[in-house]
Amino acid sequence: EPEVTQTPSHQVTQMGQEVILRCVPISNHLYFYWYRQILGQKVEFLVSFYNNEISEKSEIFDDQFSVERPDGSNFTLKIRSTKLEDSAMYFCASVDEQGYSGGYTFGSGTRLTVV
Amino acid sequence: RKEVEQDPGPFNVPEGATVAFNCTYSNSASQSFFWYRQDCRKEPKLLMSVYSSGNEDGRFTAQLNRASQYISLLIRDSKLSDSATYLCVVLSGGYNKLIFGAGTRLAVHP
Repeated sequence: EPEVTQTPSHQVTQMGQEVILRCVPISNHLYFYWYRQILGQKVEFLVSFYNNEISEKSEIFDDQFSVERPDGSNFTLKIRSTKLEDSAMYFCASVDEQGYSGGYTFGSGTRLTVV
Repeated sequence: RKEVEQDPGPFNVPEGATVAFNCTYSNSASQSFFWYRQDCRKEPKLLMSVYSSGNEDGRFTAQLNRASQYISLLIRDSKLSDSATYLCVVLSGGYNKLIFGAGTRLAVHP
Protein backbone atom coordinates (compact mmCIF):
# COMPACT_ATOMS: atom_id res chain seq x y z
CA GLU A 1 0.00 0.00 0.00
CA PRO A 2 1.41 3.43 -0.94
CA GLU A 3 2.70 5.47 1.98
CA VAL A 4 3.36 9.07 2.88
CA THR A 5 6.89 9.23 4.29
CA GLN A 6 8.03 11.82 6.81
CA THR A 7 11.52 12.59 8.09
CA PRO A 8 12.86 12.95 10.67
CA SER A 9 10.64 11.03 13.06
CA HIS A 10 11.86 13.18 15.95
CA GLN A 11 13.60 16.54 15.95
CA VAL A 12 14.87 18.45 18.95
CA THR A 13 15.79 22.07 18.35
CA GLN A 14 16.65 25.14 20.36
CA MET A 15 14.20 28.03 20.51
CA GLY A 16 14.87 30.50 17.71
CA GLN A 17 16.39 27.93 15.37
CA GLU A 18 15.01 27.10 11.94
CA VAL A 19 13.69 23.60 11.26
CA ILE A 20 12.64 21.89 8.06
CA LEU A 21 10.26 18.96 8.21
CA ARG A 22 10.21 16.74 5.15
CA CYS A 23 7.49 14.70 3.53
CA VAL A 24 7.28 12.51 0.45
CA PRO A 25 3.61 12.30 -0.53
CA ILE A 26 2.13 9.46 -2.57
CA SER A 27 3.37 9.91 -6.11
CA ASN A 28 0.09 10.39 -8.01
CA HIS A 29 -1.52 12.59 -5.39
CA LEU A 30 -2.25 16.21 -6.18
CA TYR A 31 -3.22 17.83 -2.87
CA PHE A 32 -0.88 18.10 0.06
CA TYR A 33 -1.44 19.19 3.63
CA TRP A 34 0.31 19.83 6.90
CA TYR A 35 -1.47 19.30 10.20
CA ARG A 36 -0.15 19.53 13.71
CA GLN A 37 -1.16 18.01 17.03
CA ILE A 38 0.03 19.46 20.31
CA LEU A 39 0.30 16.73 22.95
CA GLY A 40 -3.13 15.97 24.40
CA GLN A 41 -4.95 18.21 21.94
CA LYS A 42 -6.78 17.74 18.67
CA VAL A 43 -5.29 17.54 15.20
CA GLU A 44 -5.27 21.03 13.64
CA PHE A 45 -5.09 22.09 10.00
CA LEU A 46 -2.09 24.23 9.08
CA VAL A 47 -1.94 24.55 5.31
CA SER A 48 -3.04 23.01 2.02
CA PHE A 49 -0.97 23.05 -1.17
CA TYR A 50 -2.12 22.45 -4.73
CA ASN A 51 -0.65 23.17 -8.13
CA ASN A 52 2.58 24.43 -6.56
CA GLU A 53 1.00 27.04 -4.37
CA ILE A 54 -0.72 27.45 -1.04
CA SER A 55 -4.47 27.04 -1.49
CA GLU A 56 -5.52 27.65 2.09
CA LYS A 57 -3.85 28.32 5.43
CA SER A 58 -5.02 28.57 9.01
CA GLU A 59 -4.45 31.31 11.55
CA ILE A 60 -1.69 29.17 13.04
CA PHE A 61 0.27 29.34 9.77
CA ASP A 62 1.82 32.76 10.31
CA ASP A 63 4.90 34.33 8.72
CA GLN A 64 7.17 31.96 10.63
CA PHE A 65 5.90 29.06 8.53
CA SER A 66 6.48 28.28 4.87
CA VAL A 67 5.96 25.30 2.59
CA GLU A 68 7.69 24.19 -0.57
CA ARG A 69 7.61 21.42 -3.11
CA PRO A 70 11.14 21.91 -4.37
CA ASP A 71 11.61 18.94 -6.68
CA GLY A 72 8.25 17.41 -7.54
CA SER A 73 8.47 14.70 -4.91
CA ASN A 74 9.36 16.28 -1.56
CA PHE A 75 6.99 18.57 0.33
CA THR A 76 8.58 20.55 3.14
CA LEU A 77 7.40 22.63 6.08
CA LYS A 78 9.85 25.23 7.35
CA ILE A 79 9.53 26.99 10.68
CA ARG A 80 11.83 29.98 10.51
CA SER A 81 12.34 30.77 14.20
CA THR A 82 10.93 28.11 16.47
CA LYS A 83 9.07 28.89 19.68
CA LEU A 84 8.40 26.63 22.64
CA GLU A 85 4.73 26.46 21.62
CA ASP A 86 5.70 24.97 18.24
CA SER A 87 6.44 21.70 20.05
CA ALA A 88 3.98 19.21 18.56
CA MET A 89 3.54 16.28 16.20
CA TYR A 90 3.48 17.47 12.61
CA PHE A 91 1.64 15.29 10.12
CA CYS A 92 1.84 15.49 6.36
CA ALA A 93 -1.09 14.21 4.32
CA SER A 94 -1.88 13.79 0.66
CA VAL A 95 -4.93 12.91 -1.39
CA ASP A 96 -5.77 12.48 -5.04
CA GLU A 97 -8.81 14.01 -6.68
CA GLN A 98 -10.83 10.89 -6.07
CA GLY A 99 -9.73 10.61 -2.50
CA TYR A 100 -12.03 13.11 -0.90
CA SER A 101 -14.66 10.48 -0.36
CA GLY A 102 -12.15 7.99 0.93
CA GLY A 103 -10.15 10.02 3.36
CA TYR A 104 -6.57 11.11 3.32
CA THR A 105 -3.31 9.25 3.80
CA PHE A 106 -1.24 10.61 6.66
CA GLY A 107 2.46 10.18 7.24
CA SER A 108 3.66 8.80 10.57
CA GLY A 109 4.58 12.29 11.72
CA THR A 110 7.55 14.26 12.98
CA ARG A 111 7.69 14.94 16.69
CA LEU A 112 9.18 18.41 17.09
CA THR A 113 10.50 19.36 20.51
CA VAL A 114 11.62 22.96 21.02
CA VAL A 115 13.79 23.51 24.08
CA ARG B 1 -19.49 26.56 19.15
CA LYS B 2 -16.69 24.13 18.25
CA GLU B 3 -16.68 22.98 14.64
CA VAL B 4 -16.66 19.30 15.61
CA GLU B 5 -17.58 18.19 19.12
CA GLN B 6 -17.10 14.79 20.71
CA ASP B 7 -17.40 13.37 24.19
CA PRO B 8 -13.75 12.89 25.24
CA GLY B 9 -14.47 9.77 27.29
CA PRO B 10 -12.72 7.62 28.28
CA PHE B 11 -15.07 4.76 27.63
CA ASN B 12 -13.90 1.73 29.59
CA VAL B 13 -15.66 -1.41 28.35
CA PRO B 14 -15.12 -5.16 28.65
CA GLU B 15 -14.31 -7.32 25.67
CA GLY B 16 -17.43 -8.19 23.73
CA ALA B 17 -19.31 -5.05 24.69
CA THR B 18 -21.09 -2.75 22.28
CA VAL B 19 -20.09 0.90 22.50
CA ALA B 20 -21.39 4.00 20.71
CA PHE B 21 -19.69 7.33 20.08
CA ASN B 22 -21.44 10.52 19.08
CA CYS B 23 -20.29 13.65 17.34
CA THR B 24 -21.89 16.93 16.28
CA TYR B 25 -20.66 19.40 13.69
CA SER B 26 -21.48 23.07 13.24
CA ASN B 27 -21.15 23.69 9.49
CA SER B 28 -24.38 22.60 7.81
CA ALA B 29 -22.67 22.89 4.39
CA SER B 30 -20.24 20.07 5.20
CA GLN B 31 -20.48 17.27 2.69
CA SER B 32 -18.13 14.49 3.74
CA PHE B 33 -17.66 12.83 7.07
CA PHE B 34 -15.25 10.26 8.43
CA TRP B 35 -14.25 8.33 11.47
CA TYR B 36 -10.50 8.03 11.98
CA ARG B 37 -8.70 5.98 14.57
CA GLN B 38 -5.57 7.23 16.32
CA ASP B 39 -3.31 5.11 18.48
CA CYS B 40 -1.12 6.78 21.07
CA ARG B 41 1.46 9.07 19.41
CA LYS B 42 0.64 7.70 15.96
CA GLU B 43 -0.91 9.20 12.87
CA PRO B 44 -4.69 9.24 12.32
CA LYS B 45 -5.84 6.33 10.17
CA LEU B 46 -9.10 6.23 8.26
CA LEU B 47 -11.55 3.83 9.87
CA MET B 48 -14.53 4.51 7.63
CA SER B 49 -16.37 7.16 5.68
CA VAL B 50 -19.87 8.05 6.82
CA TYR B 51 -22.69 8.09 4.29
CA SER B 52 -26.17 9.56 4.58
CA SER B 53 -27.80 6.17 4.36
CA GLY B 54 -25.58 4.77 7.09
CA ASN B 55 -22.92 2.19 6.42
CA GLU B 56 -21.38 -0.84 8.02
CA ASP B 57 -17.92 -2.36 7.89
CA GLY B 58 -17.74 -5.57 9.86
CA ARG B 59 -18.25 -4.73 13.53
CA PHE B 60 -18.39 -0.99 12.85
CA THR B 61 -21.52 0.95 11.89
CA ALA B 62 -21.59 4.66 11.10
CA GLN B 63 -24.67 6.86 10.89
CA LEU B 64 -25.21 10.43 9.74
CA ASN B 65 -28.15 12.68 10.56
CA ARG B 66 -27.81 15.83 8.46
CA ALA B 67 -30.85 17.52 9.96
CA SER B 68 -29.37 17.26 13.46
CA GLN B 69 -25.75 17.58 12.23
CA TYR B 70 -24.96 14.46 14.15
CA ILE B 71 -22.65 11.53 13.39
CA SER B 72 -22.34 8.27 15.28
CA LEU B 73 -20.10 5.23 15.38
CA LEU B 74 -21.17 1.89 16.85
CA ILE B 75 -18.63 -0.80 17.65
CA ARG B 76 -20.00 -4.26 18.31
CA ASP B 77 -18.19 -7.14 20.01
CA SER B 78 -15.31 -4.93 21.19
CA LYS B 79 -11.80 -6.38 20.98
CA LEU B 80 -8.74 -5.44 23.02
CA SER B 81 -7.23 -4.15 19.78
CA ASP B 82 -10.04 -1.59 19.44
CA SER B 83 -8.48 0.41 22.28
CA ALA B 84 -7.60 3.76 20.71
CA THR B 85 -8.89 7.30 20.27
CA TYR B 86 -11.69 7.67 17.73
CA LEU B 87 -11.72 10.93 15.80
CA CYS B 88 -14.81 12.40 14.20
CA VAL B 89 -13.69 14.28 11.10
CA VAL B 90 -15.53 16.61 8.72
CA LEU B 91 -14.36 17.75 5.29
CA SER B 92 -14.65 21.51 5.01
CA GLY B 93 -13.84 24.40 2.75
CA GLY B 94 -12.98 24.92 -0.89
CA TYR B 95 -9.75 22.94 -0.72
CA ASN B 96 -11.23 20.27 1.44
CA LYS B 97 -9.34 20.51 4.67
CA LEU B 98 -10.18 18.05 7.40
CA ILE B 99 -11.63 19.40 10.64
CA PHE B 100 -10.99 17.06 13.53
CA GLY B 101 -12.87 16.57 16.73
CA ALA B 102 -10.81 16.20 19.88
CA GLY B 103 -11.46 12.46 19.89
CA THR B 104 -13.12 9.91 22.14
CA ARG B 105 -10.84 7.53 23.97
CA LEU B 106 -11.84 3.87 24.16
CA ALA B 107 -10.21 1.36 26.50
CA VAL B 108 -11.29 -2.26 26.11
CA HIS B 109 -10.31 -4.51 29.00
CA PRO B 110 -10.30 -8.32 29.36
